[in-house]
Amino acid sequence: GAVVSQHPSWVICKSGTSVKIECRSLDFQATTMFWYRQFPKQSLMLMATSNEGSKATYEQGVEKDKFLINHASLTLSTLTVTSAHPEDSSFYICSAGGTTGELFFGEGSRLTVL
Amino acid sequence: GQSLEQPSEVTAVEGAIVQINCTYQTSGFYGLSWYQQHDGGAPTFLSYNALDGLEETGRFSSFLSRSDSYGYLLLQELQMKDSASYFCAVRDANTGFQKLVFGTGTRLLVSP
Repeated sequence: GAVVSQHPSWVICKSGTSVKIECRSLDFQATTMFWYRQFPKQSLMLMATSNEGSKATYEQGVEKDKFLINHASLTLSTLTVTSAHPEDSSFYICSAGGTTGELFFGEGSRLTVL
Repeated sequence: GQSLEQPSEVTAVEGAIVQINCTYQTSGFYGLSWYQQHDGGAPTFLSYNALDGLEETGRFSSFLSRSDSYGYLLLQELQMKDSASYFCAVRDANTGFQKLVFGTGTRLLVSP
């Protein structure tokens, strides 16, 4: 089946630094990718929708200048958490949709900000 | 907007049958999906109902009643490995067929 890969799977950084998370569709072209954030024992909350070659659409309450999303190709989307703070510590998950409409999820990236 | 409510936790023993309910409020409806997520892992797709009725996939079945804005996931012959969180989700038709909005999640604990 289709595979979506995220990297890194976990990252620890100091407060104030920026962290980039990559989401790749390995065997299909992802015209749309979605980024979710999940706090412990909570649901997945959609952060933004990115479309290849255009600006991401952010959900209400998500700071676009803090969570930079780039979807420059049909197989790669990146999420950069800028000036990370401890409250940004979370599990970030991407999903990718191809032309068939089915969604595939990445393995997730656990961010811990010290 | 969309909102989906689920019980926060369900407990059961191995071999039992458990039902996880989901009630939803949406401004448009394009089907109800169910996902399983183990701690620290990614959600994995279980089932999808676009029409009323029961869909069966092995030990798991999913039911939908659009008139009641209600669905459930039925897990039979429970195994320890079924201990996980289960989420219902709807597709946000207003902004994109593939955009999913997840329910509050139900944590299933299976004991020996």
